[in-house]
Amino acid sequence: DVKVTQSSRYLVKRTGEKVFLECVQDMDHENMFWYRQDPGLGLRLIYFSYDVKMKEKGDIPEGYSVSREKKERFSLILESASTNQTSMYLCASSLPGGSRGYTFGSGTRLTVV
Amino acid sequence: EDQVTQSPEALRLQEGESSSLNCSYTVSGLRGLFWYRQDPGKGPEFLFTLYSAGEEKEKERLKATLTKKESFLHITAPKPEDSATYLCAVQVYGNKLVFGAGTILRVKS
Repeated sequence: DVKVTQSSRYLVKRTGEKVFLECVQDMDHENMFWYRQDPGLGLRLIYFSYDVKMKEKGDIPEGYSVSREKKERFSLILESASTNQTSMYLCASSLPGGSRGYTFGSGTRLTVV
Repeated sequence: EDQVTQSPEALRLQEGESSSLNCSYTVSGLRGLFWYRQDPGKGPEFLFTLYSAGEEKEKERLKATLTKKESFLHITAPKPEDSATYLCAVQVYGNKLVFGAGTILRVKS
């Protein structure tokens, strides 16, 4: 089974801190994604990557950046955390074409105080 | 703008009471429609992919159908373990998925 592992289940950070969320997948998937999930809003795409060192903005990239130095690892960076970035963050990966759907990690619940 | 709307927002059923969840979509070019199940505190789990109108997929008590404008997830004789949030998503250009807000299903015994 494909596994997508997110480094932290829960994080509490202070406003203005730089925050790193790490995601690792073990099935050699080319595509990786970062979403945030908020009640009533569903999952919204922040950034995605089709290959190493490639990245593309999703629907809500403001305040975030990403890094993909290795195929299996995709990091989400909050440059200066703010309270409106308190959310559940979900990482996912997929094969090219995505016909078998995404495989998601268990999520990181981030609280910014 | 690509949009996915799910209804109802929440659904309470008695065990054995069959029902359907709806997913309507407005997209410029549908490449696939996906259903996921999400349990509390976990990431979404893939259920089905549908590609063309008229297509149906089944898995245990779940059956997904697709028309040109919407998809239904039919739940037959549900059990308490079917309680979860069900998410619908459409695949647009590239490999991007656009998600609906989900339907929270509670099945009581």
